[in-house]
Amino acid sequence: AQTVTQSQPEMSVQEAETVTLSCTYDTSENNYYLFWYKQPPSRQMILVIRQEAYKQQNATENRFSVNFQKAAKSFSLKISDSQLGDTAMYFCAFMKREENSGNTPLVFGKGTRLSVIA
Amino acid sequence: SAVISQKPSRDICQRGTSLTIQCQVDSQVTMMFWYRQQPGQSLTLIATANQGSEATYESGFVIDKFPISRPNLTFSTLTVSNMSPEDSSIYLCSVTTGVNSPLHFGNGTRLTVT
Repeated sequence: AQTVTQSQPEMSVQEAETVTLSCTYDTSENNYYLFWYKQPPSRQMILVIRQEAYKQQNATENRFSVNFQKAAKSFSLKISDSQLGDTAMYFCAFMKREENSGNTPLVFGKGTRLSVIA
Repeated sequence: SAVISQKPSRDICQRGTSLTIQCQVDSQVTMMFWYRQQPGQSLTLIATANQGSEATYESGFVIDKFPISRPNLTFSTLTVSNMSPEDSSIYLCSVTTGVNSPLHFGNGTRLTVT
């Protein structure tokens, strides 16, 4: 079974600064995907960024980037130029890759509550 | 991506009653999943809703307590039966639009049981 660990329950950052959220995972699978989701107070789960394990290049989406270290099973999220709207719970998630039909569900970490301070 | 409508958005229910949550998607999807998020906690998978067959439940969740229907490729319901205060949670419907595609989520249903 897969497990996802987020060791930082809460973090804060000043507006316009950079913050890094940590995530580690444990799996015996070789092919998988990793995700970061954001959940603002509205409860909507929003996909922030996705990384394929077979890709060495770190994924980037505008101000969001990841540091994926496959050997270390580490998948951290960096938010640059933090904005007040980035205040939310951030969940790291793992999904095993399927070769045929169907999809495996996501396994989530416990989340990190990020507060961006003006 | 898919647009997911989940109803109701919130409800307050009495102990011993049941609530059915609806999840409507604007396109046909192969896989639908139901998650529970207890207060201040992460998301836990309840079951996978399969069209045309019975749902597949995770350990700790049973069909009698959480019956699920999936009559077609765009709709599913989750019922929380014989509710107790411990069932107070956010319940989220999620879908995937293809193999190895990320999950998309509805806005969730905040359930409070008194």
